[in-house]
Order: sequence, then C-alpha cells, then structure tokens
Amino acid sequence: DQQVKQNSPSLSVQEGRISILNCDYTNSMFDYFLWYKKYPAEGPTFLISISSIKDKNEDGRFTVFLNKSAKHLSLHIVPSQPGDSAVYFCAASGALGVGSGDKLTFGTGTRLAVRP
Amino acid sequence: KAGVTQTPRYLIKTRGQQVTLSCSPISGHRSVSWYQQTPGQGLQFLFEYFSETQRNKGNFPGRFSGRQFSNSRSEMNVSTLELGDSALYLCASSLGILATNEKLFFGSGTQLSVL
Repeated sequence: DQQVKQNSPSLSVQEGRISILNCDYTNSMFDYFLWYKKYPAEGPTFLISISSIKDKNEDGRFTVFLNKSAKHLSLHIVPSQPGDSAVYFCAASGALGVGSGDKLTFGTGTRLAVRP
Repeated sequence: KAGVTQTPRYLIKTRGQQVTLSCSPISGHRSVSWYQQTPGQGLQFLFEYFSETQRNKGNFPGRFSGRQFSNSRSEMNVSTLELGDSALYLCASSLGILATNEKLFFGSGTQLSVL
C-alpha cells in the first residue's frame, strides 16, 4: 500500500520556467513532509520541509505548498535551472507513536529534466 | 565534517549467498536508518537504529537484519539472497530519532546486484 504517491515519474521543463512536482498521501496522520533531491550515484539530500500547521514554506527558489484537505503537497521551483535536473522524492512522517510515525515514508520519485 | 560513508559501493552476489553492508554515520549522529531503493518503488524503509537498539522496522522479511555498534556504525545483513534483492541500499544518519523530524543525511549507497 503506497501511502505517499508521486504519480508523475518524469517532468521536463525549460530553463527559467516553473517546475511543479506533485505528491499525494493517504494517511491523515502524517503531519510533517519533506522533499529530497537525488543526483545519480549520490544519496538523496534534504531540500525543504513543511509542518502540517503551515500551508506554505519558502526557501529561495523552492516553495512547498501543503493542502491538508486534499492530502496533497507540491514543490515549486522558480526559476528552474539545469542543475535542478535530478530525481525528487517527497516523504512524510507522523507524530511519535501514531499511525506510520517514527519513520519516513517516501514516494516513488519524479525525475525532473530542465532543458537549457 | 565527513559525511555518511557506505561500503562497499558496488557488490555482486549470487542467489542464496549472504551479504553485509556497512554504514558509518556523521560524527555525533546516533540514529542510523536503512532504505532500499528500486525502480518504481521509491525508497522503502528497512529499519532504524538508535543507541544500538532497533527502534522501528519496515515490512521486509526476516532475511533482512541489522545492528548498530557503540560507535554508532551500523551494518545491514541480507541472508539467502534472492534476485529481487537487487537494489540500491541507502543508509542515513541523523542526530536524533526519526520521530523528531530531524533531516536525514544519506550516504551514496551500496548497489547490490544478485545474479
């Protein structure tokens, strides 16, 4: 049962435009969400996170939006750069001892290609 | 500060064999968690160790086991290897336990191929 879903396995965007990566979850007990970026032959690196008490968090060119009623989050990258080309994973966790808490549940990833 | 180190980087084994993967966390980090990455499945949680104790375990068969030493280094063992165990195995460390929502620092992984 895939509790965190990234339904788009790949996305191609022109340099300078906006990249929007989407993630859906099914477990309403998730209350903390993260995005990780992974380059080939490297481990994932933390990008940005958001707590369920917020609906938006910004860090430079990266913004994560959370829609709790729809159980949906998205990562916006503006403007997109060729160096952003990587696989992006969203992840979710629950409160201590609740549901799927105590561990991160990852999505299947979206491969972003930014064309020069 | 050195990052998370995983050894070996690549491993080729045959069905039925067993394998041990090693992970050295960032200095001072006490939590180590392991993940399996396969195409189309994302990162699947295997287990988490903190202070030499397994805190949580994912939905993997008992052939997958691990341990953590007093210096926080961790090993993961897979016995009776199957073709489906071919994957990238990632180790991640954090200061505290996963439940505190601390960000993870990942190693580059061990690519295991089972023939």
